[in-house]
Amino acid sequence: DADVTQTPRNRITKTGKRIMLECSQTKGHDRMYWYRQDPGLGLRLIYYSFDVKDINKGEISDGYSVSRQAQAKFSLSLESAIPNQTALYFCATSEGRESNQPQHFGDGTRLSIL
Amino acid sequence: GENVEQHPSTLSVQEGDSAVIKCTYSDSASNYFPWYKQELGKRPQLIIDIRSNVGEKKDQRIAVTLNKTAKHFSLHITETQPEDSAVYFCAARTNFGNEKLTFGTGTRLTIIP
Repeated sequence: DADVTQTPRNRITKTGKRIMLECSQTKGHDRMYWYRQDPGLGLRLIYYSFDVKDINKGEISDGYSVSRQAQAKFSLSLESAIPNQTALYFCATSEGRESNQPQHFGDGTRLSIL
Repeated sequence: GENVEQHPSTLSVQEGDSAVIKCTYSDSASNYFPWYKQELGKRPQLIIDIRSNVGEKKDQRIAVTLNKTAKHFSLHITETQPEDSAVYFCAARTNFGNEKLTFGTGTRLTIIP
């Protein structure tokens, strides 16, 4: 769905740099998520937010932080990037009014840390 | 927390044959099980999902079955076509406390023409 937009699509940076990945959505969904995808490991949850005032850690939150600036925007930051954070990062959204609603993914950000 | 195991990690089938991918989960409170398809270089996209009050769901050539007692669920693709080649992910979600999806590690399905 083009309704979930991630920027940038690709980024190459150096160890120790601060990086922000941005996600915006026009679906009007309350819930937003950040995942990372590594070969053979599937999708692992980094952080999730059920509304603007709600932020929760996922299974691999160490080394990451997030900000929910508005219902439509959820950004992921790497304060001091390290090479093992090289991965494909996905943002996703889902409705919040009913449980068990499907998640809709953005196109991903391919991040390489040298 | 929830743990989802997915098998096989790779699967090759002849075009026209059926493909089956299996997942097991650990948390008996899980009650929502989606399947996502990810084509090369693309985003994961939902192809079918099932809720725990249903044992089977079908959508054209795709079906999902759920066995709550055994805590496993499977994706079945019949009459496979080249465009079915992709990585498939299963997932499970509990509806208790903060809901979140736990994904399997993926199955790379290759359809041989």
